[in-house]
Amino acid sequence: DIQMTQSPSSLSAYAGDRVTITCRASQTISNNLNWYQQKIGKAPKVLIYTASNLQSGVPSRFSGSGSGTEFTLTISSLQPEDFATYYCQQSYSLPLTFGPGTKVEIK
Amino acid sequence: QLVESGGGVIQPGRFVRLSCAVSGFTFSDHTMYWVRQTPGKGLEWVAVISNDGSKKYYADSVKGRSVISRVNSKNTLYLQVNSLRTDDTATYFCARDPGRNFLTGSSHMDVWGEGTTVIISS
Repeated sequence: DIQMTQSPSSLSAYAGDRVTITCRASQTISNNLNWYQQKIGKAPKVLIYTASNLQSGVPSRFSGSGSGTEFTLTISSLQPEDFATYYCQQSYSLPLTFGPGTKVEIK
Repeated sequence: QLVESGGGVIQPGRFVRLSCAVSGFTFSDHTMYWVRQTPGKGLEWVAVISNDGSKKYYADSVKGRSVISRVNSKNTLYLQVNSLRTDDTATYFCARDPGRNFLTGSSHMDVWGEGTTVIISS
C-alpha cells in the first residue's frame, strides 16, 4: 500500500499569509494526487486534482504542484473561511489512501 | 446530489446496508466510491465500483465481509458490511468520480454526500 504523509500536522497563520502544506508518498505516484478541504461537520470538498488542476468553482488562491513523491498545496492569501483540515489522496493505485490531514487555524 | 442513508446504532456481528441516492447527473456515467471517517480521525477509502458495476474493489479492512453494488435504473449505490466490528464505527460517505472508470489519469472524488453515521455498540 502507498503511505501518504503530510506536514505540518497543524498550523496557525494570519489572514493574508501564504500557507504551504506538503504531502509525501511512500513511492512514486506520478501526478495522481488530489487535495481535499474538510470543514467541521461537513463532507470533504476537492480543491485540486491530478496534482495541479484547480477544481471548478475553487478560488484561485489555491494551487497545487509536484510529481513523483512530493507535492504541495499552497494558499496564496489565507482567508478566514479557509479554516479547515486539508487532506491529500493518491489515486495511483489501490487501495486509495489519504494523508492524515493538516489542520489550518486562523490566528 | 448524493444522499446517504441506512446508518444507526447496530450491534457487533450484525450487518448494515447503506444506500446513496443520486440525483442531478447521469449516475451510469460515473464510478462511485464509499469512504469512511472515524470520529476525530482521518479519511479511509472503503470500496469502489465502476460505472457499469463490472469492477469492484475493497479495502482490506472490509474485504470479504462487504459488498458494494449499484442499481443504475434506480440511481442508487449500496454498501453492505457484514460481521460488524466496533472499529467499523464511522461516518460513511459516498462520492463520485468524474469518469466511468477509476485509476485513470484524472481519478478523484468530485461530488460527496453529507454522510451517514454507523455506530457499532452492544
